[in-house]
Amino acid sequence: DIQLTQSPSSLSASVGHRVTITCRASQSINNYLNWYQQKPGKAPKLLIYAASSLQSGVPSRFSGGGSGTDFTLTISSLQPEDFATYYCQQSSSTPLTFGGGTKVEIK
Amino acid sequence: EVQLVQSGAEVKKPGESLKISCKGSGYRFSNYWIGWVRQMPGKGLEWMGSIYPADSDMRYSPSFEGQVTISVDKSITTAYVQWSSLKASDTAMYYCMRSGSSNQNAFDIWGQGALVIVSS
Repeated sequence: DIQLTQSPSSLSASVGHRVTITCRASQSINNYLNWYQQKPGKAPKLLIYAASSLQSGVPSRFSGGGSGTDFTLTISSLQPEDFATYYCQQSSSTPLTFGGGTKVEIK
Repeated sequence: EVQLVQSGAEVKKPGESLKISCKGSGYRFSNYWIGWVRQMPGKGLEWMGSIYPADSDMRYSPSFEGQVTISVDKSITTAYVQWSSLKASDTAMYYCMRSGSSNQNAFDIWGQGALVIVSS
């Protein structure tokens, strides 16, 4: 199975700041890496697919990068509505796996 | 509008059976995988398995194979996951999702979730 390790597991940041979350895969997954945002009591929402492609309707302050085993999700200017938990997920091979999540909180 | 609508919350006793559903609409149901994810209280996301409605091709997570059964009725554009004998540890929120090859099988549409509580 491909393990995904996200870091940090949580972070505190202020509105307007730049935030970067990393996701490391236990083996190469090319660019089969997706990012989701989940707010409390809600279903996750797709932000980024194929490592760097922005899902339709997602604000451009979200961006993704990386390939192989190391990936990043960046929020260029954190907004109040961005406080949530973020998950990476690999779609390279089954069993599909998710990272442990990164909780972004208000500083 | 493309959407997945799941059945409602369930409260069951250990040992009981359960089947929850996920109805797709607004798109060609047969041409996209439907997956299921478990989220235990306060925890992360765990993929359970996925099914391709066109031919019922199945993929299970080893952690869930034998514990649940995923099925589909494409005539009514509905997917299911069922348990034959629930345990307290099955208490969780369950989500269904759509994925397709156009976005490298990312889960682009999610159901609203179905809360399952198993308690004596």
